[in-house]
Amino acid sequence: AQSVAQPEDQVNVAEGNPLTVKCTYSVSGNPYLFWYVQYPNRGLQFLLKYITGDNLVKGSYGFEAEFNKSQTSFHLKKPSALVSDSALYFCAVREWNSGNTPLVFGKGTRLSVIA
Amino acid sequence: DTGVSQNPRHKITKRGQNVTFRCDPISEHNRLYWYRQTLGQGPEFLTYFQNEAQLEKSRLLSDRFSAERPKGSFSTLEIQRTEQGDSAMYLCASSLIEGLTEAFFGQGTRLTVV
Repeated sequence: AQSVAQPEDQVNVAEGNPLTVKCTYSVSGNPYLFWYVQYPNRGLQFLLKYITGDNLVKGSYGFEAEFNKSQTSFHLKKPSALVSDSALYFCAVREWNSGNTPLVFGKGTRLSVIA
Repeated sequence: DTGVSQNPRHKITKRGQNVTFRCDPISEHNRLYWYRQTLGQGPEFLTYFQNEAQLEKSRLLSDRFSAERPKGSFSTLEIQRTEQGDSAMYLCASSLIEGLTEAFFGQGTRLTVV
């Protein structure tokens, strides 16, 4: 069964500093990985995805994520945090070529960027 | 607006009543998903459709939950005999071919059962 772990419920970072939001996954085959962001009272917005190829994936709003197969991780990063990045971030996974399995989400990490 | 649309945005109902939520996906998307999200948790998959066919429904939380997508366009999620534990955000998402494209989410319907 697929699963995602986001080990940190909350991440605090000062504006202008780099940020990392951690994600590890478990699938039996090759993973297909996503990051979504959720602002208050809003649905989830897609940030970026990894299918195959370059392990460093660039996405919206200056975010990027690094796929590490040996560590089964897909950490979200940004070189310089903005106050407006404060939101709830979700990592999700599905198994590539597994047919009809849905996305499985982690519990989310709340990012707080302090001015 | 060409995104995923959900109605209503908020629903307050008394315990024991039935509620129905509607989702209008992005028009060219053939896959439609329903998720439930409770406070402090990530979205939990409920069911999904490919066109009008419901391909997975074993994750629906109980037999009080049902979903339809009669013409392969909009979908409805019904909860019968609501309970306080049903209070949550219900999210709808749509996508093109699963596994190759990301899913786009609506803003959700927040259900409060009193």
